[in-house]
Amino acid sequence: GQSLEQPSEVTAVEGAIVQINCTYQTSGFYGLSWYQQHDGGAPTFLSYNALDGLEETGRFSSFLSRSDSYGYLLLQELQMKDSASYFCAAGGDSSYKLIFGSGTRLLVRP
Amino acid sequence: DAGITQSPRHKVTETGTPVTLRCHQTENHRYMYWYRQDPGHGLRLIHYSYGVKDTDKGEVSDGYSVSRSKTEDFLLTLESATSSQTSVYFCAISEGGTGGTEAFFGQGTRLTVV
Repeated sequence: GQSLEQPSEVTAVEGAIVQINCTYQTSGFYGLSWYQQHDGGAPTFLSYNALDGLEETGRFSSFLSRSDSYGYLLLQELQMKDSASYFCAAGGDSSYKLIFGSGTRLLVRP
Repeated sequence: DAGITQSPRHKVTETGTPVTLRCHQTENHRYMYWYRQDPGHGLRLIHYSYGVKDTDKGEVSDGYSVSRSKTEDFLLTLESATSSQTSVYFCAISEGGTGGTEAFFGQGTRLTVV
């Protein structure tokens, strides 16, 4: 089987830093992706990690540890517009599949 | 924005009727996916395609079938709609599968089965 586990909700204050974790179990692994989805909208791609380590894209960073089957998304200098759902995603038992976690709803408070 | 269009955007149908949702892309991407999204379940993969006439089942394929007769179109059919298939359906396309290339999503189809 294959699964990706994330916390269901996270709350943080504007300007703060928040980390959203993702642990995965897949029979094959082809890297970990992160997507953002605002209410009523479609998911949009944020980042991808194929190798261990940190990838930085502006205020967002993503980390992967293949040995721990674990990754996280780090959001810095939080803004109100960052309130959204965040999904980690990975290939399942083939490189053709793209399986998503159940998502983490981030609420940014003033 | 990636050229991906879902139709219809909204549909209400009766239990037991067949329903077909269409996903059309203008990007010539090889991979196409159908997901359903329900509260508390995130995005669940229904079926996916890795080329014309090449499709496979995802996590929740029971009650659904797909067809891809040309690169640009991926059709999802609910053979006999049930209330449990009320959901938001998203189509996605990707150039390189899961190998680091991003997936682009359509705007979704809200399906209600009454």
